[in-house]
Amino acid sequence: GAGVSQSPSNKVTEKGKDVELRCDPISGHTALYWYRQRLGQGLEFLIYFQGNSAPDKSGLPSDRFSAERTGESVSTLTIQRTQQEDSAVYLCASSQAVGLSSGNTIYFGEGSWLTVV
Amino acid sequence: AQSVTQLGSHVSVSEGALVLLRCNYSSSVPPYLFWYVQYPNQGLQLLLKYTSAATLVKGINGFEAEFKKSETSFHLTKPSAHMSDAAEYFCAVRGRGKLIFGQGTELSVKP
Repeated sequence: GAGVSQSPSNKVTEKGKDVELRCDPISGHTALYWYRQRLGQGLEFLIYFQGNSAPDKSGLPSDRFSAERTGESVSTLTIQRTQQEDSAVYLCASSQAVGLSSGNTIYFGEGSWLTVV
Repeated sequence: AQSVTQLGSHVSVSEGALVLLRCNYSSSVPPYLFWYVQYPNQGLQLLLKYTSAATLVKGINGFEAEFKKSETSFHLTKPSAHMSDAAEYFCAVRGRGKLIFGQGTELSVKP
């Protein structure tokens, strides 16, 4: 597609329920990233995919968080047994293939706004 | 490990005044540096990036940034602020494949 697409754009869920957030990267982009942004705060790195593998998932805050990517395309971020502190915007981004350091631009989606009540 | 520090969580300027948003980086290798802007309730949009070519980088909407290795800085400037520049601005460095962001600076523009 023309840009990074995320769904749902807004999600309200009850504490303890599981949620899935979806990301469609820009066509041809092999690198895909997930970030979390709590209200009024900066961007917190969660996980990064190169193809279908995740070289760096150091930012996942707990074992309730997991992510997968299939077909070097769509990615799903799953949060199990949601807690109120999980309320945030979850931003997905993509870029062309990268090495350990690259000047390739990372393009962001509009985010999925998650509210846990 | 790479990191960035943005000085000032909030900056307020008058319309038409100079905008200066400060960013200092830490990197053990030549860095790739980025500035992104985030308008309310939107995702991040790339303003400009430094990739070891020219040290003065021009971006969109009249913004520019100068890479100064001796000062480990990559400050963002705009000669004349416009009301539409009010947003959150993030400096970032590329580190081990991912972007590492500063805490952000909220820019307010007064009429």
